[in-house]
Amino acid sequence: TQLLEQSPQFLSIQEGENLTVYCNSSSVFSSLQWYRQEPGEGPVLLVTVVTGGEVKKLKRLTFQFGDARKDSSLHITAAQPGDTGLYLCAGQISSGSARQLTFGSGTQLTVLP
Amino acid sequence: DSGVTQTPKHLITATGQRVTLRCSPRSGDLSVYWYQQSLDQGLQFLIHYYNGEERAKGNILERFSAQQFPDLHSELNLSSLELGDSALYFCASSVRTGFNSPLHFGNGTRLTVT
Repeated sequence: TQLLEQSPQFLSIQEGENLTVYCNSSSVFSSLQWYRQEPGEGPVLLVTVVTGGEVKKLKRLTFQFGDARKDSSLHITAAQPGDTGLYLCAGQISSGSARQLTFGSGTQLTVLP
Repeated sequence: DSGVTQTPKHLITATGQRVTLRCSPRSGDLSVYWYQQSLDQGLQFLIHYYNGEERAKGNILERFSAQQFPDLHSELNLSSLELGDSALYFCASSVRTGFNSPLHFGNGTRLTVT
């Protein structure tokens, strides 16, 4: 059972379209991160959100952390082929002094030119 | 380039064998994390070391072990390999253990058990 559920699992859109990817959980996280992973490479951190209701923007990407810190969304405006990749959300579970990130199953985004 | 180096890039071995995966963290990073990524399980946390000491264990099998050496590089040992162990194994490093310290992932080792 995945602690973090991401939807949709796959998304294929045309260049210029907007899209939203969701990350949901029944657990409360102290922080949530979004990563993008391209084939043959490791995940690369895009953003960390910490406060419930927080909104962060990274160029055409807008990240929101739910008020209850159980869910998050990633909105991409005017998608480009370069946005293609596997988008992963990851929530931090506090475990004493150690940090353990739990990753969602990912959304595979394909942006067609 | 994340600055995290993983070797080898690819590894093909037979069931029952033992392999060692190596990770060199970014210069200055004290924390090393190991993750397993498979198609059906996604990215699963295995184990975390900080400055040579084990800090947290996740879904790591008893057949797997890891250590972090004084020079901060880390090795993940996988023994009595099974077909289901075929996966991408990622190492990540960070300066500290808090959430303000982002993870930097290597490009992974693809393990194929035949």
